[in-house]
Amino acid sequence: AQSVTQPDIHITVSEGASLELRCNYSYGATPYLFWYVQSPGQGLQLLLKYFSGDTLVQGIKGFEAEFKRSQSSFNLRKPSVHWSDAAEYFCAVGKYSGGGADGLTFGKGTHLIIQP
Amino acid sequence: DAGVTQSPTHLIKTRGQQVTLRCSPKSGHDTVSWYQQALGQGPQFIFQYYEEEERQRGNFPDRFSGHQFPNYSSELNVNALLLGDSALYLCASSFGPVGVYEQYFGPGTRLTVT
Repeated sequence: AQSVTQPDIHITVSEGASLELRCNYSYGATPYLFWYVQSPGQGLQLLLKYFSGDTLVQGIKGFEAEFKRSQSSFNLRKPSVHWSDAAEYFCAVGKYSGGGADGLTFGKGTHLIIQP
Repeated sequence: DAGVTQSPTHLIKTRGQQVTLRCSPKSGHDTVSWYQQALGQGPQFIFQYYEEEERQRGNFPDRFSGHQFPNYSSELNVNALLLGDSALYLCASSFGPVGVYEQYFGPGTRLTVT
């Protein structure tokens, strides 16, 4: 079964500084990888996804992520964070089986705090 | 274009009771998935419905059941509620189970079991 590990429970970054959130996955084949963001009391918003092709993917709100097969990682990055980026970030993995796309497996999330 | 909508927003139930949560998918989507998100945790996959049938199920007991209607909306039913069922229940919709997909999430229903 696939699994997702987000090693950092909390991360504090100063506004304007760069950000990297780590995600490691376990899956036997090439997975579908996602990053979602969740603001307090809200549902999940998709930031970006990787299915195949270019291993560096661009998302919304200035985020990007790089798929590294050799490290089983899909880390999320942003060159300069804004106070509005404070939220919970979830990495997720999905797979496509013969019968169709399956439910996502999520990590436990990383809580991002932005310091003024 | 309306996104995924869920009702009710909040719900308080007593142990042993039954609850029904509702979800309307994003326009054009025909597949609905349900997730349970306990406090401080990531969402956990409950099950997925496509063409009014349960396609896939996560590691949840039979107390959790669902239904999909011809208009693609869906219900999640939980019987014999336990304190541990207190969570945010998220509905996600997507277009078809076949091929590349991405899921759009609703705001969730916060269920509290006392």
